Amino acid sequence: DAKTTQPPSMDCAEGRAANLPCNHSTISGNEYVYWYRQIHSQGPQYIIHGLKNNETNEMASLIITEDRKSSTLILPHATLRDTAVYYCIVRGRNTDKLIFGTGTRLQVFP
Amino acid sequence: KAGVTQTPRYLIKTRGQQVTLSCSPISGHRSVSWYQQTPGQGLQFLFEYFSETQRNKGNFPGRFSGRQFSNSRSEMNVSTLELGDSALYLCASSARRERGVLNEQFFGPGTRLTVL
Repeated sequence: DAKTTQPPSMDCAEGRAANLPCNHSTISGNEYVYWYRQIHSQGPQYIIHGLKNNETNEMASLIITEDRKSSTLILPHATLRDTAVYYCIVRGRNTDKLIFGTGTRLQVFP
Repeated sequence: KAGVTQTPRYLIKTRGQQVTLSCSPISGHRSVSWYQQTPGQGLQFLFEYFSETQRNKGNFPGRFSGRQFSNSRSEMNVSTLELGDSALYLCASSARRERGVLNEQFFGPGTRLTVL
């Protein structure tokens, strides 16, 4: 299973874009990059995933580098409710198994 | 559509006892996974079930077991409880139907187990 590396914490002002980086240098060709977040003591919430193209949905954008060794999750206009731990996960195609790292604790301040 | 439900939400047990936790997936979902979350180890994968078959198992001792029923509901059991088993146990379901088809997983609220 590929491992991911994320900064332990980040701050972001409300209304500004939050850019959360993730390194996954050992990712293999058929593995996807997934992002989940966990708001205090709740179950993790799916945000977005991608293989090699950039992806966007109503919650966020995912930018994956051309070599696929790193990615960035972008929350375009962070709100106080986006304060959470964000997990970057590399997932194989044939399993629902998710290997969570330590994640990034994002604090959005007023 | 109702989300993933887990029962009970809170549980207190003593060392040496055994416990059974239940997970009801989203209607139509056939894949269920279990995770343990502790402050020290974070979120760790326990099991993955699909169509009543265990497809994957994490690195946990044999005291941890699980099963899935024909209606996709799942249970996990921990025998001979230890203090270190105190954790939030999370269940996730997905609409995965076949190998190679990715589906998002939806997590339940978890069962908080305290072992005294």
